[in-house]
Formats: sequence, C-alpha cells, structure tokens
Amino acid sequence: AQSVTQLGSHVSVSEGALVLLRCNYSSSVPPYLFWYVQYPNQGLQLLLKYTSAATLVKGINGFEAEFKKSETSFHLTKPSAHMSDAAEYFCAVSDPDKLIFGTGTRLQVFP
Amino acid sequence: NAGVTQTPKFRVLKTGQSMTLLCAQDMNHEYMYWYRQDPGMGLRLIHYSVGEGTTAKGEVPDGYNVSRLKKQNFLLGLESAAPSQTSVYFCASSYKGSYEQYFGPGTRLTVT
Repeated sequence: AQSVTQLGSHVSVSEGALVLLRCNYSSSVPPYLFWYVQYPNQGLQLLLKYTSAATLVKGINGFEAEFKKSETSFHLTKPSAHMSDAAEYFCAVSDPDKLIFGTGTRLQVFP
Repeated sequence: NAGVTQTPKFRVLKTGQSMTLLCAQDMNHEYMYWYRQDPGMGLRLIHYSVGEGTTAKGEVPDGYNVSRLKKQNFLLGLESAAPSQTSVYFCASSYKGSYEQYFGPGTRLTVT
C-alpha cells in the first residue's frame, strides 16, 4: 500500500531563510504527489503537484518541489521564508481513487 | 462558483446523539471524500465515493455512515456520537482520475 512520511512535525525558520520540508513516499506504481497548505481554521489548498511530467515542480507563493525517484522523496522548498508562510503543510501520494496524506509539518517563521 | 461547501461549520453534540454533515460541490466532480483531522495525525479518510450511488470505506470508517444520492452532495452521518469523534471534518472532491482534491472549509465537531 502507498504511504507518506513527513520528517519533522515542526520546522522553525527565520524570515528570509531557506524553507525545507521533507516528504518520503512509498508506492508500488509511479505516483502522483502533492503538497497542500493549511492556514489556521481553514481547509487545505493545493500548493503544487507532480504528475509524471517535469521532476521539478513549481507551485504558488514561490514554493517548489523535486521528485527524486531514486530517493523516493518529494521535498518542498522555498528560497526565502516570509511571515505569511507560517502554516501546516501536508504531503500526499496517490492511491487508487484517493490520496494518502502525511501527518503534516507545522512551519513557524520568526522575524 | 462556491466550490466545496460544508454545513454546519460548528456543532456540539452529547454522547449518543446523532447528526448529519452535508458536503456540496458545484464543480461537477465525480469523486467526493470525507476526512477527519486530529492533532498529530494528519488527515484520515473516513469514506469516499467515486460516483452517485456508490460509497467505499476509507481508513477510519467505524461509527460513520455516508450517502451519495446526488452527484453534488455527500452526506456523513454519525448515528450515536462518541467523544472519540470530536474532530474537525473536511470534505473534498475531485475529477475522476485527477487526484487533485478541492477541500471545503471544515466542520468542527465536539462531542461531550
């Protein structure tokens, strides 16, 4: 069965620093991979998705992720954190007819 | 377009009471999903539907029932609420084969 592991339930960075949120997946078939963001008291919004085209995927708000098959990873990065990036981030992998979500990483951004 | 809407936004139940959560989408999506979100556990799939009149169990289906009588609506029922069902419930929908899910704003349910 497909699964997702997000390393680090909490990540803290200073404003302007690099953001790196880690996601590793397990899948028996070529996966589709997603990153979603959740701001406080809101639903989830799609940040970006990998659907077997380019391995480097660019999303909204300056985020990007790279699909590395050899490492079964899909880490999310942003070169320079902004205070407005503070939120919870979820990685997800496709499973027939549905998605399997990771347990989430809460990003804190300090001034 | 309203996207995915959920009714109600908040609810407090006593143990043993029943209730139904309503999810509606106006994007003509074939697939619909119900999740619960608990601290440290991410989103866990309760039930889902791949089309009108069809439903399937997800990861945590016990204590919940669902119905999809119309393509645009997906109902989640709790027949006899328990404190363990205190959670935030999210509905989502997607096109068939897309996997990209659109989420509603959530329902915060407290069972005392």
